[in-house]
Amino acid sequence: DQQVKQNSPSLSVQEGRISILNCDYTNSMFDYFLWYKKYPAEGPTFLISISSIKDKNEDGRFTVFLNKSAKHLSLHIVPSQPGDSAVYFCAAPGGGKLTFGQGTILTVHP
Amino acid sequence: SAVISQKPSRDICQRGTSLTIQCQVDSQVTMMFWYRQQPGQSLTLIATANQGSEATYESGFVIDKFPISRPNLTFSTLTVSNMSPEDSSIYLCSVESDLGYTFGSGTRLTVV
Repeated sequence: DQQVKQNSPSLSVQEGRISILNCDYTNSMFDYFLWYKKYPAEGPTFLISISSIKDKNEDGRFTVFLNKSAKHLSLHIVPSQPGDSAVYFCAAPGGGKLTFGQGTILTVHP
Repeated sequence: SAVISQKPSRDICQRGTSLTIQCQVDSQVTMMFWYRQQPGQSLTLIATANQGSEATYESGFVIDKFPISRPNLTFSTLTVSNMSPEDSSIYLCSVESDLGYTFGSGTRLTVV
């Protein structure tokens, strides 16, 4: 049972445009979500989070939106830069562990 | 947030052998987590390691295959035992931090 799902395995965007990465979840008990970025040969690094009491959290070029009724969150990167090319994971803590989505490979073309 | 040193960063091992992965944290932490990322898949929690008690394993993972040590509050090891090609994955340790969870750089294991 995949409680956190990222249905797009990959996304390709042009430098300067917006990147939108999506994530869906099934467990309504999740009340906090995190986005991680992972480069090859490195561990995931924390990017941004959102609590279920909010519907938006912004940090520089990164904004995460949460739609609790739809059990959906999205990460917006504006403007996208080639250095943003990485694998992005959404994750939710619960039950003493972190549940990850499958990840989306973002490629930003110069 | 905590800084984690994980080693080895990668290894190629013969089937039937074992590999021990080490994680050292620069601060004391109660729980350490071990994850596996199989090729093309998400990160999956293997077990949670508490100092002074046996590790708690997730469904599908057993102590005989993945023995864990947690001798103190800054260090843990995960052993992948009697390896087969299906064990080829990236293994990561993690600790809870003020930013959520911090991860080591991972160990890329290839079993031949």
